[in-house]
Order: sequence, then C-alpha cells, then structure tokens
Amino acid sequence: AQSVAQPEDQVNVAEGNPLTVKCTYSVSGNPYLFWYVQYPNRGLQFLLKYITGDNLVKGSYGFEAEFNKSQTSFHLKKPSALVSDSALYFCAVRDLYNNNDMRFGAGTRLTVKP
Amino acid sequence: NAGVTQTPKFRVLKTGQSMTLLCAQDMNHEYMYWYRQDPGMGLRLIHYSVGEGTTAKGEVPDGYNVSRLKKQNFLLGLESAAPSQTSVYFCASSVRQRTDTQYFGPGTRLTVL
Repeated sequence: AQSVAQPEDQVNVAEGNPLTVKCTYSVSGNPYLFWYVQYPNRGLQFLLKYITGDNLVKGSYGFEAEFNKSQTSFHLKKPSALVSDSALYFCAVRDLYNNNDMRFGAGTRLTVKP
Repeated sequence: NAGVTQTPKFRVLKTGQSMTLLCAQDMNHEYMYWYRQDPGMGLRLIHYSVGEGTTAKGEVPDGYNVSRLKKQNFLLGLESAAPSQTSVYFCASSVRQRTDTQYFGPGTRLTVL
C-alpha cells in the first residue's frame, strides 16, 4: 500500500521565521500528494496538492510545498510564519492500488510563538 | 452554501448501544467518505460511496455500516457500540476521487463508555 510519513510530531517556530513541516512518501508509480490543515475543533481544510507538473506547488494562506522525487519528499513550507498558522497539519497520498483511498500521515502539530 | 455538515457534534454512548451519524453536503458531489481520527494515527477511511445507492469498505470498516440513499446524504451507523469506537468522526465529499480535493465536515466526537 502507498503511504506517507510525517517524522515530526511537533514543530515549534517563532513568528516571522520560515517554517517547514516534513513529509515523505512511499508509492509505486506517480504519487498524488496533498496537504491539509486542521484548526482546533474543526474539520480538515485543503492547502495544496501535487498531481503533476512543476515541483513547487503554491497553495492557500501563503503555503507552498516542494515535490522531490529523488528524496521521496513533499515538505510544506512558508517563508514567514504567523501565530495563526498554529494548527495540526496532515500530509496525504492517494493509494492508487487500493481504490484511490486517501492515506493520511499521523499529523504534525505546528506551534508558532509570538 | 453550507458545505459539509455533520450531526450530532457530540455524543456519549454506552457499550452495546446503537446510533447513526448523519452527513450532508450541498455541493452536488458524487463521492462521500467517512473517516475516524485517533490521536497519533491521522485519519483512517471507514467507508466511502462513489454515488447514490453505492457504498464500499475502506481501511477500517468493521463495526460500522453506511447508507447513501440520497446523493447529498451519507449515514454512518454503529449497531453495537464498543469503547474502541471512541473517536472523532469526519465526513468528507469530493467531485471525483482520484485527484480531487476532499471537503470535510466539522466532525462528531463520540465517546463510548
């Protein structure tokens, strides 16, 4: 089965600093990769996705992600973090060999401190 | 548009009781999904539907049943609740499956005592 891994449970950054939330994937064939964000007591919200094309994907709220095939990574980045970015972030991949089910990582909690 | 809505928001059950969670979407999406979210495990797919009248099993279907009698509604049933089913349940919908964004509801927090 195809899967993603988020190696960090928690990421802490200071407001104004760049942030990175890491994601690595394990797939056969071309991966369809997604990032979602979950604010407290809310459902997940879509940030961005990579299907094909440019390796740098731009998404909502100033976030971007870089698809790196050689490193099998899809890290989420933002040049300047805001306190309001504090949330739970999920990386996900379409499992093309299991009915296109979405496989989510365990999540990374991002805390941005003033 | 309300998007994806879920009822109820919270529920406490005793072991062996039954209940139904309702998901509704007003975006005319074909695909609908039920997930459970447990700490440290991300979201896991319980069941999904590719259209009205169809359902299919996901990654963790045991102990749950679903129905999609109307395109806009997707029901998740627990016939005999167990403490292991204590979780937060999310419904989602999408236009298509493979490459499309999923839109999530706000979740239902279920506790089984």
